Amino acid sequence: GQNIDQPTEMTATEGAIVQINCTYQTSGFNGLFWYQQHAGEAPTFLSYNVLDGLEEKGRFSSFLSRSKGYSYLLLKELQMKDSASYLCAVMDINYQLIWGAGTKLIIKP
Amino acid sequence: SQTIHQWPATLVQPVGSPLSLECTVEGTSNPNLYWYRQAAGRGLQLLFYSVGIGQISSEVPQNLSASRPQDRQFILSSKKLLLSDSGFYLCAWSVREIDTQYFGPGTRLTVL
Repeated sequence: GQNIDQPTEMTATEGAIVQINCTYQTSGFNGLFWYQQHAGEAPTFLSYNVLDGLEEKGRFSSFLSRSKGYSYLLLKELQMKDSASYLCAVMDINYQLIWGAGTKLIIKP
Repeated sequence: SQTIHQWPATLVQPVGSPLSLECTVEGTSNPNLYWYRQAAGRGLQLLFYSVGIGQISSEVPQNLSASRPQDRQFILSSKKLLLSDSGFYLCAWSVREIDTQYFGPGTRLTVL
């Protein structure tokens, strides 16, 4: 079956760096997406990786290793507004997104 | 720019009642449209997707149905709601199947 694993919850301190990991097993691979979801709101797109390596976008970076079925989202200079759930999703061979359950990130002052 | 709307934002319905949720997209033509449900602590579950008017693919057997009467309109319906239908319903759109999906604000449905 298809599976996406990410930690349920993480805690970090304002101003610090946090890395959220995602491992996947899917039927085919057409890219990996990271979304941010604040409590009670819809997911918003953060990043997309289809080739191995690091994609940087301001304070957020996303890394992919297709051979290892592994990705991480790196958040730098954490701010209180980064408190949210972070969803990892992989597009499979049929162009459907397979979603992880999300990682709830708690930022402490 | 593109905008996606969903309504209502929240809904409380009794078991056995009908349901109609609407989603519309502005600023693009012939989008791919998706209905997802999100239960607490679980990943998003794809319910239906559509690549064009009148074309609906169902991913999960259930008592829900979807229709696409116009290019940028996607409707989720049920004739009789079950308690298990409670959840956060999200509509999304993309340019093509392989592209990023963008979500509407969602409808929180509680079935009592």
